[in-house]
Amino acid sequence: SAVISQKPSRDICQRGTSLTIQCQVDSQVTMMFWYRQQPGQSLTLIATANQGSEATYESGFVIDKFPISRPNLTFSTLTVSNMSPEDSSIYLCSVRSGGAGANVLTFGAGSRLTVL
Amino acid sequence: KQEVTQIPAALSVPEGENLVLNCSFTDSAIYNLQWFRQDPGKGLTSLLLIQSSQREQTSGRLNASLDKSSGRSTLYIAASQPGDSATYLCAPVRAGGTSYGKLTFGQGTILTVHP
Repeated sequence: SAVISQKPSRDICQRGTSLTIQCQVDSQVTMMFWYRQQPGQSLTLIATANQGSEATYESGFVIDKFPISRPNLTFSTLTVSNMSPEDSSIYLCSVRSGGAGANVLTFGAGSRLTVL
Repeated sequence: KQEVTQIPAALSVPEGENLVLNCSFTDSAIYNLQWFRQDPGKGLTSLLLIQSSQREQTSGRLNASLDKSSGRSTLYIAASQPGDSATYLCAPVRAGGTSYGKLTFGQGTILTVHP
């Protein structure tokens, strides 16, 4: 399965600032997914990032707050803009891998953000 | 909209017990279902994937079953060990089209296995 590297692994941020999370995959993938896990909660899909097109956002998430870039088939970034304490979460990227029909979702280790 | 429920929410057992974790989902139009493990503060590790056409899948001490028509999946852990302590998440994958590859996660079962 794919190997995913995320940076930063954790950060402490000030209210009102923005932070960009990077996701690097060791193989080319068509779709990359960004999830958020708020404290004590399960994972919620933020958006799907396709190379060469605009990201598709889930209900409740907007591009101005979570802009996404997907410059090539192995890399994506998620920016959390104008952060507030409510944005304190683990942010995870994931890709589908495992060969045709397998559709195994592989996740990065996550980026834990704390907003003060 | 898919809703996923996992029971129990938490489970604490002595080492060696056989365990059953339950997952139910409301929309049976799924492509497959994955079980994940999450250690505290970490990302997710995929444990098992069951295709919608399969009834069960096994990996070592883990066995997952799927009854798509009734919207249920069960994860069996045999001879539990302290290293199995983690949060276990099930996630059915939406079938087809633009939703392909999108998972809906349950709240998870927090498992603690005591030595």
